Formats: sequence, structure tokens, C-alpha cells
Amino acid sequence: SQQGEEDPQALSIQEGENATMNCSYKTSINNLQWYRQNSGRGLVHLILIRSNEREKHSGRLRVTLDTSKKSSSLLITASRAADTASYFCATDRFYSGNTPLVFGKGTRLSVIA
Amino acid sequence: DGGITQSPKYLFRKEGQNVTLSCEQNLNHDAMYWYRQDPGQGLRLIYYSQIVNDFQKGDIAEGYSVSREKKESFPLTVTSAQKNPTAFYLCATEGQGTQQYFGPGTRLTVT
Repeated sequence: SQQGEEDPQALSIQEGENATMNCSYKTSINNLQWYRQNSGRGLVHLILIRSNEREKHSGRLRVTLDTSKKSSSLLITASRAADTASYFCATDRFYSGNTPLVFGKGTRLSVIA
Repeated sequence: DGGITQSPKYLFRKEGQNVTLSCEQNLNHDAMYWYRQDPGQGLRLIYYSQIVNDFQKGDIAEGYSVSREKKESFPLTVTSAQKNPTAFYLCATEGQGTQQYFGPGTRLTVT
């Protein structure tokens, strides 16, 4: 079952531009995470935001969380060609105790030099 | 990647054969997970284990089996009952929090 859904499915931008990806989810959560996957590789954790947080920064990454709208956004500022990858959001399940994360289908980001 | 190894990186099998994918970790994490990823798709959970000698089915467990005899190892067997086994398989671990650490993946092709 898919909890998070990313939007858009694919995004192509020029180097130096900002990239914004969105994630919507269905049920209450304790936290939401964003991961990055380079082609043919494993996922790498980027950032975790808790349900009582509204915004979090890490380097060129900015994540927001709106629990009333059940949505999150990932902003990558001043993008570089090396940011080309797929980005996934992942959520836990608030009422289900210690259960696995649920991943969305991802946004494929292409940064053109 | 880090302290999680998956082998082999590429695996080819004939239809009807069982195949076992290896996942080993040295992170001392209790929880381990197996995901399947199809082209352009997200991750779907196959099996997970939160402690040695215990594991649970994920969303798409049919045609797969696992074991968890050691904390460091969580092998996945793709059986002949799995109708569409060709995919990219990812193993992950989880420590104290909910952040997951992924291995480099095994690409399985069945013809």
C-alpha cells in the first residue's frame, strides 16, 4: 500500500535553478522522511521532519510539513548536475506502532548543466 | 550503502529456478527489510524482520521467503512461484530511529 505520493513524477531544470517536489500522504504520521536514489543504486536518507515541526533545513535542502493538508515539500536550492536523481518521501503510520515505512513512487529530477 | 552489502550486484537465472539474494550488515541494527523496485516505480515491501528468528510479510510477500538466523544476515529467496521476479531488489536496515540505511541493490533478471 502506498502512503506517500510525490508530485511531479518528473522534473527537468537548469543548473542553478531551484527544484521543488511535493509529497502527499493519507493518514496521520509521526514523521516524514525524504530519500534520494541515484540511478541503479540504493537510497540515501536526506532529512527527517517530525509531525510537530513545520520546516527543516539541511544545507541546500529545505523541507516543509503541513499536517493539516497531509503534505510535505522538498526544495533543493541552486541545483547542480550532481543533484540528478530520484527523490522519495517515506512516512510511518501513526497508529500502527513499530511498523515499516511506506515509500512513495518518487520524483525523477534531471538537472541540466 | 555503507555497512550493508548485497551480493551479487547482477544475477541472471532461468525461469523455474529458485535464487537467493544475500544481505549482510555490520551496523548492529535489529531491523532489516527487503524491497522490490520496478522501473520508474517506488519501493514495495516484501518482508521485514525486527529481531533475530522473527520476520513478517510485507505488502508483496507471495513467491518470496526469508530467514533471520543471525542479526547480521537477512537472505531473500525468490522462488519459482514468483510470477514476475525480474526487478531491482534492495535490502535496508533500521537502527534506533526510523531512518533506514540501504544496500547497493541486486538486479535480478529471470529469462
